[in-house]
Amino acid sequence: NAGVTQTPKFQVLKTGQSMTLQCAQDMNHEYMSWYRQDPGMGLRLIHYSVGAGITDQGEVPNGYNVSRSTTEDFPLRLLSAAPSQTSVYFCASSYGQGAGYTFGSGTRLTVV
Amino acid sequence: AQSVAQPEDQVNVAEGNPLTVKCTYSVSGNPYLFWYVQYPNRGLQFLLKYITGDNLVKGSYGFEAEFNKSQTSFHLKKPSALVSDSALYFCAVRDILTTDSWGKFQFGAGTQVVVTP
Repeated sequence: NAGVTQTPKFQVLKTGQSMTLQCAQDMNHEYMSWYRQDPGMGLRLIHYSVGAGITDQGEVPNGYNVSRSTTEDFPLRLLSAAPSQTSVYFCASSYGQGAGYTFGSGTRLTVV
Repeated sequence: AQSVAQPEDQVNVAEGNPLTVKCTYSVSGNPYLFWYVQYPNRGLQFLLKYITGDNLVKGSYGFEAEFNKSQTSFHLKKPSALVSDSALYFCAVRDILTTDSWGKFQFGAGTQVVVTP
């Protein structure tokens, strides 16, 4: 089925480790974003992209990197994991300004 | 800058009663407004949106929302709530005027809806 695919679904990291959260969409959407969800804080934007080769920072970008080499893929890299990055991460995509986002099912990350 | 507020952490309603989830927003230009629902351990699902036109917007699962520009509100409503409507609801705004918001949604903190039988 068409949609946004996130992998892995669950991950446990040790402090200081690095990893990449994968996100892929097959809807040819230009806009893609990464959010983190923490209790009582809603969703906070980490990084976003308005097209291949174009990325920008969101509200909470520190400790994360992104790249957008293709329209389909938008990986999120944790450079050196910290316990404060324990969260649920959502990738989302949209085809335009007036369109809503389609969300992936999320990655639950625990940093110990 | 854009922002959105959901003043209630939780809304409790009996099945069959009307349900309202409140949302207010602040943008420098004109808003695109959205409602999403999240069921436990799932991603967010789109419910409805306001872009332009009729202030009353109808969406999925019998939900509707009313855009009120003077009160900068976009409250979500359902005439008769179901137990299956129990979930976390998020309001989101995108400012259509400023170019640096083109890629961004601003989400509210979310409102937990509990519908009791």
